[in-house]
Amino acid sequence: DIQMTQSPFTLSASVGDRVTITCRASQSMSTWLAWYQQKPGKAPKLLIYKASSLESGVPSRFSGSGSGTEFTLTISSLQPDDFATYYCQQYNSYPWTFGQGTKVEIK
Amino acid sequence: QVQLQESGPGLVKPSETLSLTCTVSGASISIYSWTWIRQPPGRGLECIGNISYSGSTNYNPSLKSRVTISVDTSKNQFSLKLRSVIAADTAVYYCARTVRGALFDPWGQGSLVTVSS
Repeated sequence: DIQMTQSPFTLSASVGDRVTITCRASQSMSTWLAWYQQKPGKAPKLLIYKASSLESGVPSRFSGSGSGTEFTLTISSLQPDDFATYYCQQYNSYPWTFGQGTKVEIK
Repeated sequence: QVQLQESGPGLVKPSETLSLTCTVSGASISIYSWTWIRQPPGRGLECIGNISYSGSTNYNPSLKSRVTISVDTSKNQFSLKLRSVIAADTAVYYCARTVRGALFDPWGQGSLVTVSS
């Protein structure tokens, strides 16, 4: 299985901050990476796929980059609605696996 | 708008079988592939397995010996059975549509299943 490691585990930030979350894969996987947002008590929501493609309806302040084994999710200007937990997911090989999550908290 | 809803018992005894059903509305189950994912309390996400529109299945090797996913096209539903459950199987179980081959959108609201005697 491909292991996905996210950092940091928790991130404290203020509204308007630029936020970056990193996801590292245990083996190279081209750009077969997605990002999801999960709010407390809710199901995850797909934000980005193929490392950098924005899902329809997702605000443009979200962006993704990377390839191979290192990927980043960036929120250019954090909004109150963005405080949530973010997960990366690899779909290079089965079983598809997720990172452990990064919680973005209000500073 | 595609919507998914999980249903099934919220409490299962150890060694018994966990059974959940996902009812799909707004789309034909015969067109897409569908996935079960779980999330233990306070922890991350784990893919359990998926079923294609043709009925072929893929299971996470870590659970393969205990899992069966099936589809009922007449009811627009798909189902999960997890046998011989233990406390570590306690989780919120989500069903989701599989898009672009391996992405999940949308998801059901989730169903908490507790394994306890």
